Amino acid sequence: QVQLQESGPGLLKPSETLSLTCTVSGGSISPYYWSWVRQSPGKRQEWIGYIHFSGSTNYNPSLKSRVTISVDRSKNQFSLKLTSVTAADTALYYCTRIGAPPTGGWYLDLWGRGTLVTVSS
Amino acid sequence: DIQMTQSPSSLSASVGDRVTITCRASQTVSNFLNWYQHKPGKAPRVLIYGASNLQSGVPPRFSGSGSGTDFTLTITSLQPEDFATYYCQQTYSTWTFGQGTKVDIK
Repeated sequence: QVQLQESGPGLLKPSETLSLTCTVSGGSISPYYWSWVRQSPGKRQEWIGYIHFSGSTNYNPSLKSRVTISVDRSKNQFSLKLTSVTAADTALYYCTRIGAPPTGGWYLDLWGRGTLVTVSS
Repeated sequence: DIQMTQSPSSLSASVGDRVTITCRASQTVSNFLNWYQHKPGKAPRVLIYGASNLQSGVPPRFSGSGSGTDFTLTITSLQPEDFATYYCQQTYSTWTFGQGTKVDIK
């Protein structure tokens, strides 16, 4: 069965760049859309953005100026970069797959377990 | 952004109880409303997509209803494995989530 695994540094200093990778195992990254979601302590989940396996992207406007999501089909991975992090970016970061039924309305049909990223000086 | 408000924020229930969780959107989301279950340390999983469509593999005791701004997730007979936190999410415009409803044991 398809599984998602997030990886990357767990501790960053303010102003650094957060870099996370999601490895897709048990299936292909094609032809799906893939997404990142985060949840800061005590807050609700926040959608960060998504990418199609072809490379087209869409970002949450609140984060768009700092976010880049990319895909590496040869490694069956997609990645998140978030620049100029602050303590407010401390969160559990999840990678997800997007389901897109023909009737419309997307949803997150597969999730990783999440990886905690802490921003602290 | 569309604000999603769930109620209640938490509830205590017993095995076999019927549980209802509501989700209200600050403006219409049509039927682009999904429900997720999350247990600590595990990956969240989708239960319902498109307001009322049961995800493959999810037990039929879970059901969803509603359209526009008001939605409901119902668990007809609560099982021990259902104690978890439930979230709604809209994908009508910039995706947003509800604050979650924690279901624990009475």
